[in-house]
Amino acid sequence: EVQLVESGGSFIQPGGSLRLSCAASGFTFDTHAMDWVRQAPGKGLEWVSYISSTSNTIFYAHSVKGRFTISRDNAKNSLYLQMNSLRAEDTAVYYCARHNWSFDYWGRGALVTVSS
Amino acid sequence: EIVMTQSPATLSVTPGERATLSCRASQSVSTYLAWYQQKPGQAPRLLIFGASTRATGIPARFSGSGSGTEFTLTISSLQSEDFAVYYCQQYNSWPPFTFGGGTKVEIK
Repeated sequence: EVQLVESGGSFIQPGGSLRLSCAASGFTFDTHAMDWVRQAPGKGLEWVSYISSTSNTIFYAHSVKGRFTISRDNAKNSLYLQMNSLRAEDTAVYYCARHNWSFDYWGRGALVTVSS
Repeated sequence: EIVMTQSPATLSVTPGERATLSCRASQSVSTYLAWYQQKPGQAPRLLIFGASTRATGIPARFSGSGSGTEFTLTISSLQSEDFAVYYCQQYNSWPPFTFGGGTKVEIK
């Protein structure tokens, strides 16, 4: 069974940093690209970042480019999102998702709240 | 960036009736279109990919159609567990991947 479990969500002040993790199991992690998708409270879905299976190709949404860094450790079956210079508008549930052209499996999400 | 527009924003349906949800792309996405279902407090779940192919375990009452810029998700006979928010998403031209704003299907 495919499982994706996010961790690292927290309450943090504007300008702060946070690192999210996503532990993957139930599939061959190192053969799949992965993504982060977020959802602000009461809002729709927003794609955040993509990383290829070998980390050779990485993309970011304009809204986070230069502040967020996606990475992965295939030996640990883990995906990460380093978030710096956080803003109030980054407040959201962050989901990791397996990339299969569409997003075929999702984790339950990690809540990040940015507020003073 | 391809803009995805869903209509209506809210659809009120009686259980057992058919629901038809629409999704429009600002430019052609061929059939690189997915539909997701999201229930309150849960992660999205993939329903349809390739505009018309049901994902694993998705009941046959869910069907997708369309190509280019116009797409439809049809739920043939709404069950109680189908009341949720539905999102379309294009993966033809990326980055970025873009989602529609969602259609909430509620009980009439």
